[in-house]
Amino acid sequence: DAGITQSPRHKVTETGTPVTLRCHQTENHRYMYWYRQDPGHGLRLIHYSYGVKDTDKGEVSDGYSVSRSKTEDFLLTLESATSSQTSVYFCAIRRDSENTGELFFGEGSRLTVL
Amino acid sequence: GDSVTQMEGPVTLSEEAFLTINCTYTATGYPSLFWYVQYPGEGLQLLLKATKADDKGSNKGFEATYRKETTSFHLEKGSVQVSDSAVYFCALNSGGYQKVTFGTGTKLQVIP
Repeated sequence: DAGITQSPRHKVTETGTPVTLRCHQTENHRYMYWYRQDPGHGLRLIHYSYGVKDTDKGEVSDGYSVSRSKTEDFLLTLESATSSQTSVYFCAIRRDSENTGELFFGEGSRLTVL
Repeated sequence: GDSVTQMEGPVTLSEEAFLTINCTYTATGYPSLFWYVQYPGEGLQLLLKATKADDKGSNKGFEATYRKETTSFHLEKGSVQVSDSAVYFCALNSGGYQKVTFGTGTKLQVIP
């Protein structure tokens, strides 16, 4: 158990509304990631963070923003949700002592945009 | 760029059958290779890994060998159980903290 909590676990919202997903870790590791999982695409990186206030874009970052004001929290925001953002979102961490790239995942947040 | 290709699913097997899920990759340098498993309603968890050529990762009866000459990391298990039903993802990290590249996943269903 890597101590990762995602909230909310399930959310239904309407097109055009803002949505924020939260990832909380208890181990204070530097590296945190947001992925989305879609059938036929596997997992795709949205944004990642390598420290407080240090973030960068992944391969599918359009329409998403992130913030990391504390080591333990990494927030993913959809400023104006669209139906194409219906997905399951996973937060992951990489332990500071881990050099091979192994990731530890939260349980996911299922978002439905109507 | 880096990429991972794994066999299309779903794969349906009877209990105690032999399992192979193929995975090939394209990457620069000498990547670390992983198999992750996702049980229904859960996040991904590491099943096994290998960090250099000819290494064999193993866990829970599953094995995979890092084959640099064929750029492959095929997952095998000699006798599957119903509890192995899940989605399996092959992945690689070619260095740095920026990104782990995942395959599209292969769903395995084991029937009694």
